[in-house]
Amino acid sequence: GQQLNQSPQSMFIQEGEDVSMNCTSSSIFNTWLWYKQDPGEGPVLLIALYKAGELTSNGRLTAQFGITRKDSFLNISASIPSDVGIYFCAGQLSSGNTPLVFGKGTRLSVIA
Amino acid sequence: NAGVMQNPRHLVRRRGQEARLRCSPMKGHSHVYWYRQLPEEGLKFMVYLQKENIIDESGMPKERFSAEFPKEGPSILRIQQVVRGDSAAYFCASSLSGGYQPQHFGDGTRLSIL
Repeated sequence: GQQLNQSPQSMFIQEGEDVSMNCTSSSIFNTWLWYKQDPGEGPVLLIALYKAGELTSNGRLTAQFGITRKDSFLNISASIPSDVGIYFCAGQLSSGNTPLVFGKGTRLSVIA
Repeated sequence: NAGVMQNPRHLVRRRGQEARLRCSPMKGHSHVYWYRQLPEEGLKFMVYLQKENIIDESGMPKERFSAEFPKEGPSILRIQQVVRGDSAAYFCASSLSGGYQPQHFGDGTRLSIL
């Protein structure tokens, strides 16, 4: 099946630092989404991207839909302790109501 | 995750028993998706349903697994004769109809098989 390659697998950063993670695919995706999952909970939608080249921000988070439609990145600026969690990229191969393909996640730890 | 309600949150079954997982979508959402997550892994799609219809079940094992989304009531994911390998977190997501509608997830059911 389709796979998304997400990197890095894990990150340890100091509070206040900026963070960058990315997702790549061998296939073209029509939609890219970024979710955050805390322990024992479901994924929470952070940012949704619908157009190639689109750059979208949500507070300290910024994500871009790669121009080739095969990649996306997520940046977190000035990290804080509550940023700790697992960040997942997800893509949809076609527009509309279709299943999501998930990456394996980036586990973020923030050292105060 | 307010909105998509899943229950139970935790379910323990012995091998050979049946597991029933329920999902009530967000108000106004008519599309429901089920995903499975193993430890240290991303979510894997299982099945996509609209009211009374299965749209895509390509990720769901052909045997022992079934899903429904009746006209009234929650969507149900049913696993018959559970085995140890069924132990996982099962998540439900829902979305509105139409293009570019993001999926919103519930907090999942953690299924443990003894």
